[in-house]
Amino acid sequence: DIQMTQSPASLSASLGETVSIECLASEGISNDLAWYQQKSGKSPQLLIYAASRLQDGVPSRFSGSGSGTRYSLKISGMQPEDEADYFCQQSYKYPLTFGSGTKLEIK
Amino acid sequence: QVQLKESGPGLVQPSQTLSLTCTVSGLSLTSNSVSWIRQPPGKGLEWMGVIWSNGGTDYNSAIKSRLSISRDTSKSQVFLKMNSLQTEDTAMYFCARTAYYYDGTYYYGVMDAWGQGASVTVSS
Repeated sequence: DIQMTQSPASLSASLGETVSIECLASEGISNDLAWYQQKSGKSPQLLIYAASRLQDGVPSRFSGSGSGTRYSLKISGMQPEDEADYFCQQSYKYPLTFGSGTKLEIK
Repeated sequence: QVQLKESGPGLVQPSQTLSLTCTVSGLSLTSNSVSWIRQPPGKGLEWMGVIWSNGGTDYNSAIKSRLSISRDTSKSQVFLKMNSLQTEDTAMYFCARTAYYYDGTYYYGVMDAWGQGASVTVSS
């Protein structure tokens, strides 16, 4: 199985601050990577797919990048509604696997 | 609009079988695939398995021996059955549409619509 190592496990950011979350795959996944946002008590919502493509309706302050085994999610200008857990997920090989998650809080 | 909704018993006894239903609307199961994903309290997400639009299935090898996913297309329902439940199976169980977005050269897999989740506690 492909292991997804996500970091950091948690971080806090001030409003307007830019934050980055990283995911490292145990083997190359050809940009077949998605990012999800999960607010407290809710189900995950798709933010980004194909490593860098924004899902419809997702604010443009979210962006994704990376290649090979290293990928990142950036939030340019933290907003109150961005407080949530974030997960990466690879679809390159089955079983689909997720990163362990990053808890993002407002400082 | 696409909607998925999980239902099932909130409490299951150890060693018993879990049965969950995912009822979908706004999509046809004959042209859409549905995955099951679970999340233990305070922990991360684990993909369990998928039923493809053609009715075929794939399972996570870690739980494959205990898991079965099926569907009733006429009722727009997908079913999960997992036997020999233990306390570590306590989790929120989600169903999600599994789609493939094509960019002209490659198909990228995503889970682009999720149900609200069904909480399952394994306890005597």
